[in-house]
Amino acid sequence: EVQLVESGGGVLQPGGSLGLSCAASGFSFSKYWMSWVRQAPGKGPEWVANIKQDGSEKYYVDSVKGRFTISRDNAKNSLYLQMNFLRAEDTAVYYCAKSGDKWNYPHDRWGQGTLVTVSS
Amino acid sequence: DIQMTQSPSSLSASVGDRVTITCRASQGVSNYLAWYQQKPGRVPMLLIYAASTLQSGVPSRFSGTGSGTDFTLTISSLQPEDVATYYCQKYNSAPWTFGQGTKVEIK
Repeated sequence: EVQLVESGGGVLQPGGSLGLSCAASGFSFSKYWMSWVRQAPGKGPEWVANIKQDGSEKYYVDSVKGRFTISRDNAKNSLYLQMNFLRAEDTAVYYCAKSGDKWNYPHDRWGQGTLVTVSS
Repeated sequence: DIQMTQSPSSLSASVGDRVTITCRASQGVSNYLAWYQQKPGRVPMLLIYAASTLQSGVPSRFSGTGSGTDFTLTISSLQPEDVATYYCQKYNSAPWTFGQGTKVEIK
């Protein structure tokens, strides 16, 4: 069974930094594109970033470019999101999501999410 | 960036009704269009990808059509367990934008 378990969420002040992790199991992690998707309270999902199997390609939504970095460690079956210079508008539940073996495939499995709250 | 616009933003229908939700892209996305269902308090779940391909395990009352800029999600016979918010998403290129959602309720 595919499992994605996020961790690392918390409460922090604007301008702060936080690193999220996602532990994957139940599938061949190294064979799939992976993504982070966030959902602000009461809002719809927003795709944040995705990364190719070997980490050679990464894409970001404009609002996080230069502040967030997606990475992965295939030996540890883990996905990461380093978030710097956080803003109030980054407050959301952050989901780790599995995509396909090619770039053009949507998110077919999601984790339960981890909440990030940015507030002064 | 391509914008995704869903309509209506909400709807109320009776059990057994046919329900249709539309999603329009501001530019063509070929058939790189997915539909997700998010039940209250739950994680989004993939229903349809490639505009019309049903994800494994999804009931056959759900169907999707369209290509280019105009897409539809149809529930052929609405069931109580279909109460949820439905989102479209384009994934032809970054950013993989979601629509704003359509909330479906039972009348």
